Amino acid sequence: GEDVEQSLFLSVREGDSSVINCTYTDSSSTYLYWYKQEPGAGLQLLTYIFSNMDMKQDQRLTVLLNKKDKHLSLRIADTQTGDSAIYFCAEGGGYNKLIFGAGTRLAVHP
Amino acid sequence: DAEITQSPRHKITETGRQVTLACHQTWNHNNMFWYRQDLGHGLRLIHYSYGVQDTNKGEVSDGYSVSRSNTEDLPLTLESAASSQTSVYFCASSVQGAGELFFGEGSRLTVL
Repeated sequence: GEDVEQSLFLSVREGDSSVINCTYTDSSSTYLYWYKQEPGAGLQLLTYIFSNMDMKQDQRLTVLLNKKDKHLSLRIADTQTGDSAIYFCAEGGGYNKLIFGAGTRLAVHP
Repeated sequence: DAEITQSPRHKITETGRQVTLACHQTWNHNNMFWYRQDLGHGLRLIHYSYGVQDTNKGEVSDGYSVSRSNTEDLPLTLESAASSQTSVYFCASSVQGAGELFFGEGSRLTVL
C-alpha cells in the first residue's frame, strides 16, 4: 500500500540550513506536499511540487524531488527559531486523499 | 473570513461511551476528511467525504462513523469509545481537484 517515511527528529543551529528528507511509495502521486505544524495547531500547507518537476524554490524553501528514487526533500535556508515545528511530507492520493508521513520535529537552537 | 472549526477542543470520556466530534467549515468545500494524530504514526486517515451523502472509509476506520447531511459539516462519532482511541483528531477540507487541505485546530480526546 501507500506509505510515506521520514526521520522523526532534526536539530540545527540557528542560521544553518535544515534538510528534511522523505521517501514515498506511490509513483502515481500527482503532487507531493510539505505541511508545517506549530505547537497546539493544525497543519498548514508550506509548499508543494508537481510530480513532473525536479525542484521548486520559494524564498527560503527549496524542494527537491527525485522520482526515480521516490525521494523528496525540503531545505530551509537560514533556519530561524520560528521554524521550529513538525514538518510533514505527504503524497497526493486520488481526490486529495493525502497520505502523510509521521512528521519530522525540527528543533532550532542558538 | 472563511474557516474550519472543531468542537470540543478537549474532551475526556469513559470507555464505552458514545462521543461525537464536530467539524464545521464555511468555505463550501466539497471534500472533508478526519485524521487522527498519534506519536510515531503521524496523521492517519479515518473517514472522508467528497460531498453530501458521500462517505468513505480510510485506513483506520474501525470504531468510527461519519455522516454528511450538508456541505458544511462532517461529524465524527465514536460509537463505543476505547482507550486506543485516545488521540488528537483533525478535521480538514479541500476544494475538489485542488491539493491543499485546510485543517482545523484539532480535538484532543482522552478515553479513560
